[in-house]
Amino acid sequence: DQQVKQNSPSLSVQEGRISILNCDYTNSMFDYFLWYKKYPAEGPTFLISISSIKDKNEDGRFTVFLNKSAKHLSLHIVPSQPGDSAVYFCAARKSGSWGKLQFGAGTQVVVTP
Amino acid sequence: KAGVTQTPRYLIKTRGQQVTLSCSPISGHRSVSWYQQTPGQGLQFLFEYFSETQRNKGNFPGRFSGRQFSNSRSEMNVSTLELGDSALYLCASSAGQTSTDTQYFGPGTRLTVL
Repeated sequence: DQQVKQNSPSLSVQEGRISILNCDYTNSMFDYFLWYKKYPAEGPTFLISISSIKDKNEDGRFTVFLNKSAKHLSLHIVPSQPGDSAVYFCAARKSGSWGKLQFGAGTQVVVTP
Repeated sequence: KAGVTQTPRYLIKTRGQQVTLSCSPISGHRSVSWYQQTPGQGLQFLFEYFSETQRNKGNFPGRFSGRQFSNSRSEMNVSTLELGDSALYLCASSAGQTSTDTQYFGPGTRLTVL
């Protein structure tokens, strides 16, 4: 039962433009959400997170938006750079689940010159 | 601060054998979680240890087990290996004490079962 869904397996964006990655979840008990970036044969690298008590969190070029009523979050990357080409995973955690994250299937982002 | 380290990075085993993977968390982190990544199933949670106790468990068979030592280092063991156990095994560490703790991942161990 996939409780965290990333419905776009891939995204191509031009350098300098905005990348928007989407993530939907079904479990209303999730209260903390994270985005990770992953290169092949490496572990995921933490990018940004958001608690369910907020609807937006910003860190440099990365902004995450959370719409609890729609059970939807998105990651905006502005401006996109070639080094951003990677697989991006959305992850969610239930209150009290501590170290147990549920991941989406990932979105492959390709930033073209 | 050193990151999460995992050893070995690559491992080749044959069916029926057993394997032990090791993870050293970031200094000060008491929670270690293990994940399996495969092309078909994505990233799946195996289990989490905090202060030497298993705190969470995923839906994997009993062939997958783990433990944590007093210095927070963790090991994961897979017995009676099957071809389907071929995967990237990732461990992640966090302070593990608040609901907003972030998990930081190691580089993973690539296990190939022949």
